[in-house]
Amino acid sequence: LAKTTQPISMDSYEGQEVNITCSHNNIATNDYITWYQQFPSQGPRFIIQGYKTKVTNEVASLFIPADRKSSTLSLPRVSLSDTAVYYCLEQRGGGADGLTFGKGTHLIIQP
Amino acid sequence: DGGITQSPKYLFRKEGQNVTLSCEQNLNHDAMYWYRQDPGQGLRLIYYSQIVNDFQKGDIAEGYSVSREKKESFPLTVTSAQKNPTAFYLCASSRGAAGLTYEQYFGPGTRLTVT
Repeated sequence: LAKTTQPISMDSYEGQEVNITCSHNNIATNDYITWYQQFPSQGPRFIIQGYKTKVTNEVASLFIPADRKSSTLSLPRVSLSDTAVYYCLEQRGGGADGLTFGKGTHLIIQP
Repeated sequence: DGGITQSPKYLFRKEGQNVTLSCEQNLNHDAMYWYRQDPGQGLRLIYYSQIVNDFQKGDIAEGYSVSREKKESFPLTVTSAQKNPTAFYLCASSRGAAGLTYEQYFGPGTRLTVT
C-alpha cells in the first residue's frame, strides 16, 4: 500500500510562499505524485500532479527531486482562502494503490 | 454544468436499516470511486469501478455494496453489517479506465448519521 508522510499542520501569513513537503520513501517506478486540497465539508480538489523535476500550473508548483523520495508543494503568495487540508498521494497506474488519503497537512493562513 | 452530484446532502437512518447513497456524473468519465471520511481523518477508499458492470473492493469494503449499471451512476449501499456507518461519504470520478493516475473530481458529499 503506497504510503506518504506529511506534517500534520503548518501556519503561515497572507502574502507568503508556503512549501509543504511530503515523504514517499518507497515510491515505485510507475507512481505519480498528486496533491489535493480540501475545505471543510467539501470534496477534495485536484491541485497538481507530477512524476519528476518540476511542474507548475496557475495555482501551485510541485518539485520532485531526482530520487523521487519526497516532493514539495509550493503555494505562492497565499491568502486566507488557502486555509485548508492538503493531501499528498502516490497514484499508481493500473491499480487502486495510493487512493487512500492520509490525514494530510492542515494549513492555516493568518492575516 | 458538468460535474458530480450526490444526494442527499444529509441523511439520517436508524441502526439496522440499509441506506443507498446516490452518485451521478455527467463528465463522461469511465472510472468512479466511493470514499469514507471520518472526523479529522483522511479519505479511505470503499469501492471503485473502472468500467460499467465492473467494480473492485477498496481498503474498507466490508458492510458496503455498489453497482455500476450505467456509466453515469455509481450508487453505494451502506448495509446493516457496517459497524460504524456514521461518516461523510464522498463520490469521485476520473477519465480513463486503464490507469488510476488521472485527476479525480469529487462530489459535494453526503453526511450520513445512523442512530
